[in-house]
Amino acid sequence: GEDVEQSLFLSVREGDSSVINCTYTDSSSTYLYWYKQEPGAGLQLLTYIFSNMDMKQDQRLTVLLNKKDKHLSLRIADTQTGDSAIYFCAVLSGGSYIPTFGRGTSLIVHP
Amino acid sequence: GAVVSQHPSWVICKSGTSVKIECRSLDFQATTMFWYRQFPKQSLMLMATSNEGSKATYEQGVEKDKFLINHASLTLSTLTVTSAHPEDSSFYICSASAGPNTEAFFGQGTRLTVV
Repeated sequence: GEDVEQSLFLSVREGDSSVINCTYTDSSSTYLYWYKQEPGAGLQLLTYIFSNMDMKQDQRLTVLLNKKDKHLSLRIADTQTGDSAIYFCAVLSGGSYIPTFGRGTSLIVHP
Repeated sequence: GAVVSQHPSWVICKSGTSVKIECRSLDFQATTMFWYRQFPKQSLMLMATSNEGSKATYEQGVEKDKFLINHASLTLSTLTVTSAHPEDSSFYICSASAGPNTEAFFGQGTRLTVV
């Protein structure tokens, strides 16, 4: 089955860019998602990318996909304290109905 | 990592009947549980958030009388799909969290088919 890995913690200074990385194993993956979970809240879909794309930009968010290396990243420009949350990478394999989630990266933004 | 067990993994039921899905945290106390629904080839959609001992908070557009959520203990939450119809057929996934700023762990999902 699919295996999705992400680092558990990332600490950045307010105003800097944050880059959260994710690797996966199944080359037939079709949709790749980034979710945000704020304290006490459920998952919020931030953005997603199709496997036939290599980049998607949405305001402060940039998603990069390297299919050859099976590497997905989420870049947050001008990181703010309100961006502090846990960010989940999720990958949907071809033929599957349930995405496989990483364990989440806890982003801590300090002044 | 922590384990969240969801049961059953799949269920087929007749239209008009009710189905109960259980979500258990096996090795930690889950103060908050989330219920999601996923349509084929789409991402998760949060249905409701439940805190132990409190009424669930439903997302806009989710019928609380149709999707009954009970979170009576720190290790168990249930979702009951009442008077199920074919359009309720979907994947239902729970996740559990020990509290704010902690990871949410996901169940395996339940595939509901209403015939």
